[in-house]
Amino acid sequence: QVQLLQSGAVVKKPGSSVKVSCKSSGGSFSSYPITWVRQAPGQGLEWVGRVIPLLATARYAQKFEGRVTITADTSASTSYMELSSLTSDDTAVYYCARKSSSIPDEYYQFWGQGTLVTVSS
Amino acid sequence: EIVLTQSPATLSLSPGDRATLSCRASQTVLSYLAWYQQKPGQAPRLLIYDASNRATGIPARFSGSGSGTDFTLTISSLEPEDFAVYYCQQRVNWPRTFGQGTKVEVK
Repeated sequence: QVQLLQSGAVVKKPGSSVKVSCKSSGGSFSSYPITWVRQAPGQGLEWVGRVIPLLATARYAQKFEGRVTITADTSASTSYMELSSLTSDDTAVYYCARKSSSIPDEYYQFWGQGTLVTVSS
Repeated sequence: EIVLTQSPATLSLSPGDRATLSCRASQTVLSYLAWYQQKPGQAPRLLIYDASNRATGIPARFSGSGSGTDFTLTISSLEPEDFAVYYCQQRVNWPRTFGQGTKVEVK
């Protein structure tokens, strides 16, 4: 069974950057995209971007272009999401997610536990 | 960007009731639509993909239908554990987008 284990909650100052990790176990890491989704307090789900580890290629929602970098380290089976120039609007739980082998791409069967990023002065 | 509009925002029902949730897309998503369930403090759970296919381990009381721009998630008889927030998600265009959610609450 695939498990995604994310790094712990963090508090950041406005204008700083944050880097969240997502370690995969129990399945093939390189073959499947890792997607990042965020959820502000009391709000819905927002797609941030994704990376294909095998190709090291990433795609981002336009809203985050220039401010987000999603990478993957295949040797560590870990994906990273780095978000810069943080504002209070970036306060949210950030999830990593991926598909299972039996369903089409871009549907998210497996999810990390979420990482709360709080931006506060 | 494709906008997914879910209705109603809140559905107040009792255990054993039938729940019907709607998701409307701003342009066609063909059949490339999924439904997720989310409970407080938990990550979302995939229920339905490609509009009508149940994900692994999902009970038969959950069903999905629709194509193009109009989709429905039906829960045939609500169990106590089904009271949660439900989201739809499309994968036909970038960026992938989610609806704003429908909360199914106990009446």
